[in-house]
Amino acid sequence: EDQVTQSPEALRLQEGESSSLNCSYTVSGLRGLFWYRQDPGKGPEFLFTLYSAGEEKEKERLKATLTKKESFLHITAPKPEDSATYLCAVPGGATNKLIFGTGTLLAVQP
Amino acid sequence: ETGVTQSPTHLIKTRGQQVTLRCSSQSGHNTVSWYQQALGQGPQFIFQYYREEENGRGNFPPRFSGLQFPNYSSELNVNALELDDSALYLCASSLRDRVYNEQFFGPGTRLTVL
Repeated sequence: EDQVTQSPEALRLQEGESSSLNCSYTVSGLRGLFWYRQDPGKGPEFLFTLYSAGEEKEKERLKATLTKKESFLHITAPKPEDSATYLCAVPGGATNKLIFGTGTLLAVQP
Repeated sequence: ETGVTQSPTHLIKTRGQQVTLRCSSQSGHNTVSWYQQALGQGPQFIFQYYREEENGRGNFPPRFSGLQFPNYSSELNVNALELDDSALYLCASSLRDRVYNEQFFGPGTRLTVL
């Protein structure tokens, strides 16, 4: 069964304190891995698509990497405005429905 | 380029009632997927519409139904509302013909069932 697991569930950082979020996946035939950012009460905002193992994508303070079993979202020198829930998802089944993890709630304190 | 829009933003219903949620897809996209997100959880796939037909369904009962219109907009209907239906309902649009079809989400509709 296709599955996505994210860790940690919650992470509290001081402003400027770099860290990484983990997304482990099990899927038959990877057709991309997606990272989203979600603010409270809002819809997920698309961040990155990673297509194959070894690929890396960057956007401002965020860098996403992909291996054959997991993906990491590295946050370098975070700011309070980076506080949000970060979700990862993989397409599954014939419809490419997204299978999400439960997310990592990131809080960056000034 | 117009993003995904949803209406209404918030909705309060009582148990047993029926509700209709609406979604306009991003321009150029032909596929709409609906997700339910309970508090503290990741979104769960409800169903997907492509060319005005249901194109896959998650583990949701038949009282969850939908429509897609020729302009690719979509509706989600839920009959006989239950307390557990309280959640954020998300619509996502995508272009089916792409190999890697990123899905772009709307702001969601917060449904509260009392």
